[in-house]
Amino acid sequence: KQEVTQIPAALSVPEGENLVLNCSFTDSAIYNLQWFRQDPGKGLTSLLLIQSSQREQTSGRLNASLDKSSGRSTLYIAASQPGDSATYLCAVSGSARQLTFGSGTQLTVLP
Amino acid sequence: DAGVIQSPRHEVTEMGQEVTLRCKPISGHDYLFWYRQTMMRGLELLIYFNNNVPIDDSGMPEDRFSAKMPNASFSTLKIQPSEPRDSAVYFCASSLVGGYSGNTIYFGEGSWLTVV
Repeated sequence: KQEVTQIPAALSVPEGENLVLNCSFTDSAIYNLQWFRQDPGKGLTSLLLIQSSQREQTSGRLNASLDKSSGRSTLYIAASQPGDSATYLCAVSGSARQLTFGSGTQLTVLP
Repeated sequence: DAGVIQSPRHEVTEMGQEVTLRCKPISGHDYLFWYRQTMMRGLELLIYFNNNVPIDDSGMPEDRFSAKMPNASFSTLKIQPSEPRDSAVYFCASSLVGGYSGNTIYFGEGSWLTVV
């Protein structure tokens, strides 16, 4: 059974800092990995999707990498802003066509 | 497109009552998913449909839970009878090709259920 772990569970940084969120998964037989953002009281918004054959994806200040063989992914946020404060979840998609989610990292960017 | 639309957004009900949650997926999407989110267990897939047909309901916790998709633009998740441990946020999501082959999955804003 696939298990997804996110470290740290919570992170607080001053505005402008670059930061890295970590995600690890136990079964490397995945189709893709996605990073989501969840604001309080809201649904999930997909940020980046990395296919299993890819190594990284970039969108603006966000960069996600994937090392499938080691079961790891990182989400890099450059020049963090208070508006980046949210919970970030990673999820992997396996042969069952369903997403298995990590428990998330709650990020607070202090002005 | 308005995105995935869920109703009600919030519901408080008494134990033993029937609860019906509703979802309208994004037009043209052929996969629909129901997830449940709790502090203890995080996000869990309950059931998903492909072209209105239930494909995998192994995540449905008990017989008290049932889901239907009578047409491509509407799905319901029903809990009968409801129990306090069913209190959670229930998300509906939709996608074009089930997510595994690269298409993004879109979530609704959730239905916040409290059973007292």
